[in-house]
Amino acid sequence: DTEVTQTPKHLVMGMTNKKSLKCEQHMGHRAMYWYKQKAKKPPELMFVYSYEKLSINESVPSRFSPECPNSSLLNLHLHALQPEDSALYLCASSQGGGLHQPQHFGDGTRLSIL
Amino acid sequence: GESVGLHLPTLSVQEGDNSIINCAYSNSASDYFIWYKQESGKGPQFIIDIRSNMDKRQGQRVTVLLNKTVKHLSLQIAATQPGDSAVYFCAENVGSGGKLIFGQGTELSVKP
Repeated sequence: DTEVTQTPKHLVMGMTNKKSLKCEQHMGHRAMYWYKQKAKKPPELMFVYSYEKLSINESVPSRFSPECPNSSLLNLHLHALQPEDSALYLCASSQGGGLHQPQHFGDGTRLSIL
Repeated sequence: GESVGLHLPTLSVQEGDNSIINCAYSNSASDYFIWYKQESGKGPQFIIDIRSNMDKRQGQRVTVLLNKTVKHLSLQIAATQPGDSAVYFCAENVGSGGKLIFGQGTELSVKP
């Protein structure tokens, strides 16, 4: 079992729907991340939050909107997605505040866009 | 652009043998590297990490070697077991903001 919990595990949505992915960690980590992973490919960074502030946005389309309500929670709001957005969305966390700290991943939300 | 890559996309080994998974990186400024294991239906699982001021680090049944001269990273797994079957990714820490760049991955298959 992972210490980073993601919900839901699976999500199917239409292109006009609005949905949210949720991520929670209770390790006291202060940095949290969203990644996108296509099948048979490595994870690709989308967003980084450090101390609840967005610090990196890897030129992600605005139909993906991250939110960090507090140090334990990270959301990814989805709106008007495209079929090519179907992927595994991974959340990770790390201690934050410095270098050389491993990121710990959840098991992801598998998203399918109809 | 900068990238982290792997020499072999697949590796098949006999149970009990040692496995070596290789990774090349191109960002000479990177100073921290991580190996992850990803099983089917799961997220990447941290295995071991190494800082650039080291050339070797050992864990339980795993050893990571770093050769900065040729920008090469390897993961050695001793006495490989069926439970080691997974995709292995190396990852490179770029900059100070926690950005990780992953290699393309190697699928390790352990034959009983």
